[in-house]
Amino acid sequence: EVQLMQSEAEVKKPGESLKISCKGSGYDFNKYRIAWVRQMPGKGLEWMGIIHAGDYDTTYSPSFQGQVTMSADKSSSVAYLNWRSLKASDTAKYYCARLIIMAGYAYMDVWGKGTTVTVSS
Amino acid sequence: EVILTQSPGTLSLSPGERATLSCRASQSVSSNYLAWYQQKPGQAPRLLIYGASSRATGIPDRFSGSGSGTDFTLTISRLEPEDFAVYFCHQYGSSPLFNFGPGTKVDIK
Repeated sequence: EVQLMQSEAEVKKPGESLKISCKGSGYDFNKYRIAWVRQMPGKGLEWMGIIHAGDYDTTYSPSFQGQVTMSADKSSSVAYLNWRSLKASDTAKYYCARLIIMAGYAYMDVWGKGTTVTVSS
Repeated sequence: EVILTQSPGTLSLSPGERATLSCRASQSVSSNYLAWYQQKPGQAPRLLIYGASSRATGIPDRFSGSGSGTDFTLTISRLEPEDFAVYFCHQYGSSPLFNFGPGTKVDIK
């Protein structure tokens, strides 16, 4: 079964750093892209960026460029989302999703359960 | 920049009724890159439709998608209790590379 397993919820203080993870299983992790999506409390979905798990090529949403860093480790089939200095406004649920771009289609077919990040002093 | 608008914001219907959800793009997008997702409270989104009209694996045939260019529709032919949720459309490829509509909530009348 294709799965994306995300790390547990985090509670942090403003200014702290954080790295959350998304581990793929049941498929060849290296051959696909991972998308990161933010959902603030009670709000819609926002695209943050995409990373190709095989060559680590990244594309960031302009809204998140410079705010977060995406990375991956293909040897362990894990993608990461990293903040150097959290703000209260980073409080949200963060989803990773496998992005399929093939045969002329693009869609996210498998989603992780999400990691809730709470930033509060 | 492509902006996706979904209407209505909320759709109040009874089980067994037909639901028609609209996703409108501010400029033409490729139908191959238009998808629909369902999200229930406390859960991750789930892919329903890709390529504007192709059902994802395991999605019941009461869900159908249609449209092209700037106007896309998700139809649920007969609402089941488990279909009351929020539905998002999503496009890939047009600037910005990737974006979502604001969502339509289907709730029980």
